[in-house]
Amino acid sequence: SQKIEQNSEALNIQEGKTATLTCNYTNYSPAYLQWYRQDPGRGPVFLLLIRENEKEKRKERLKVTFDTTLKQSLFHITASQPADSATYLCALSSGTYKYIFGTGTRLKVLA
Amino acid sequence: EADIYQTPRYLVIGTGKKITLECSQTMGHDKMYWYQQDPGMELHLIHYSYGVNSTEKGDLSSESTVSRIRTEHFPLTLESARPSHTSQYLCASRRTENTEAFFGQGTRLTVV
Repeated sequence: SQKIEQNSEALNIQEGKTATLTCNYTNYSPAYLQWYRQDPGRGPVFLLLIRENEKEKRKERLKVTFDTTLKQSLFHITASQPADSATYLCALSSGTYKYIFGTGTRLKVLA
Repeated sequence: EADIYQTPRYLVIGTGKKITLECSQTMGHDKMYWYQQDPGMELHLIHYSYGVNSTEKGDLSSESTVSRIRTEHFPLTLESARPSHTSQYLCASRRTENTEAFFGQGTRLTVV
């Protein structure tokens, strides 16, 4: 069955460092991959979308890579700040309405 | 800030009651979704709509029903609430299948 795996353990990093989050998938051929941020008790907020034919996408301090051979996406936050602390979700679509979401990785940036 | 709204934010209700969770968006999006999310778990798609008068069930079996009479409105109804329905319900919309989704704030439902 289709599966998305994100680090279930929380990631703690020091302020100013680069945070790297991983999204691995199996039994899936996504056309699109999206990253969302979710704060406790709130709905997810869209961050970045990357297409299967794109290797990398950037937006301000955020960078996403997409390796369809490894079936993996990496999400980087450079110069991390305590305000970046949240849960980050990846979501995949094969080009239909159906998006599969991962369980998310909880990031904590320590001041 | 996304123009998609859910009400109520929090709801505590007794077993057997009928409830309707409201979701409205002002972006003119055709695609709307309902997700169920338990704490620390992934979002599960329970209902989807392509547009007016079009609804489908998602991957996660749900005893809820939805309707889409107007583009901007996508309410979810539980005819008889049970404790197993306790969860957070998130509504979302997107313009096309492959653009960003906008989520509402969610409704946290507790059935006692």
